[in-house]
Amino acid sequence: KQEVTQIPAALSVPEGENLVLNCSFTDSAIYNLQWFRQDPGKGLTSLLLIQSSQREQTSGRLNASLDKSSGRSTLYIAASQPGDSATYLCAVSGWASGSRLTFGEGTQLTVNP
Amino acid sequence: GAGVSQSPSNKVTEKGKDVELRCDPISGHTALYWYRQRLGQGLEFLIYFQGNSAPDKSGLPSDRFSAERTGESVSTLTIQRTQQEDSAVYLCASSPQEGYYEQYFGPGTRLTVT
Repeated sequence: KQEVTQIPAALSVPEGENLVLNCSFTDSAIYNLQWFRQDPGKGLTSLLLIQSSQREQTSGRLNASLDKSSGRSTLYIAASQPGDSATYLCAVSGWASGSRLTFGEGTQLTVNP
Repeated sequence: GAGVSQSPSNKVTEKGKDVELRCDPISGHTALYWYRQRLGQGLEFLIYFQGNSAPDKSGLPSDRFSAERTGESVSTLTIQRTQQEDSAVYLCASSPQEGYYEQYFGPGTRLTVT
């Protein structure tokens, strides 16, 4: 059974700092990995999708990497802003579980002005 | 274009009543997923539909839960004889097909069972 873990559970940083969020998964036979953002009381916004054959994806100030063999992904946020404050979730789909996403518990990020 | 929409946005119901939650996927998306997020817990998979194939119901927590999908459009999640532990945010997602494709989520329905 696929398990996804995110570290840290919570993170508070001053504005402008670069930061890294970590995600690990137990079964490396994945289709893809998605990073999402969730604002309080809202649904999920997809940030980045990395296919199993890819090593990284970039969108603006966000960069996500994937090391499938070690079961790890990182989300790098450059020059953080207060508007980046949210919960960040990573999720994987894979051969064992089909198309369904298995989610981590999330990292709650607070960027202080 | 329009994203995934869900209705109602909020639903308060009494224990023992039945509820129906609706999801309108992105037009042309053949795969549709339901997840739920209970307070303080992670998202858990409930069910998914892919085209005309039999749905994967393996995440439904009990036989009080069921879901239908009309072709490749609207889906309805029904919870019968609601219990307090059913209180959660129910999220729907769609993707162009199953497998390697990105899933796009709706805003969710917050269900409160009193």
